[in-house]
Amino acid sequence: GNSVTQMEGPVTLSEEAFLTINCTYTATGYPSLFWYVQYPGEGLQLLLKATKADDKGSNKGFEATYRKETTSFHLEKGSVQVSDSAVYFCALIKAAGNKLTFGGGTRVLVKP
Amino acid sequence: GAVVSQHPSWVICKSGTSVKIECRSLDFQATTMFWYRQFPKQSLMLMATSNEGSKATYEQGVEKDKFLINHASLTLSTLTVTSAHPEDSSFYICSAAPGLGIYEQYFGPGTRLTVT
Repeated sequence: GNSVTQMEGPVTLSEEAFLTINCTYTATGYPSLFWYVQYPGEGLQLLLKATKADDKGSNKGFEATYRKETTSFHLEKGSVQVSDSAVYFCALIKAAGNKLTFGGGTRVLVKP
Repeated sequence: GAVVSQHPSWVICKSGTSVKIECRSLDFQATTMFWYRQFPKQSLMLMATSNEGSKATYEQGVEKDKFLINHASLTLSTLTVTSAHPEDSSFYICSAAPGLGIYEQYFGPGTRLTVT
């Protein structure tokens, strides 16, 4: 079956540091890949997506590239802010309307 | 665009009572809606998938008689927790999929249920 594995947290950083959250997946074919962010006490917000190999998703300074050869979709941000403190989920979907397969989530804490 | 609301945002109920949670897609029609449960500091656990006008499909281990799901229209799905017990206390989140080849799902803000 499909699965998503992401690095365990918590990840603690200082403001303006570089952030990387690793995500790898197992799936047949060509799934679409997503990063969602969850702020405390809230639902999930779509951060970025990529629908085919070598696509780069980007939003709010975050980037992730769909690497078919390494089945990875690592999330990066060059300079984090305190407001980036949240839980980040990597996810995949095989087809529109299907259920998402989530990773375990990575908690990120950015200190001033 | 693509806003999903949930109501209520939090609810406290007594053991043995039933609670209904609504999930609405406000600016799009959702062919499919999903209900998740999330425990503190954990990932989301899919409970069930519902399509408008048909019975929900429950994940293994989820009691369908306890968690009643109704997807009455293309913009509304409800989750009713029947005869709630303290172990049902959790954060419940819905998501809505527009379908029509759109892969994104849009999530509601969640409902915090506490059963006393």
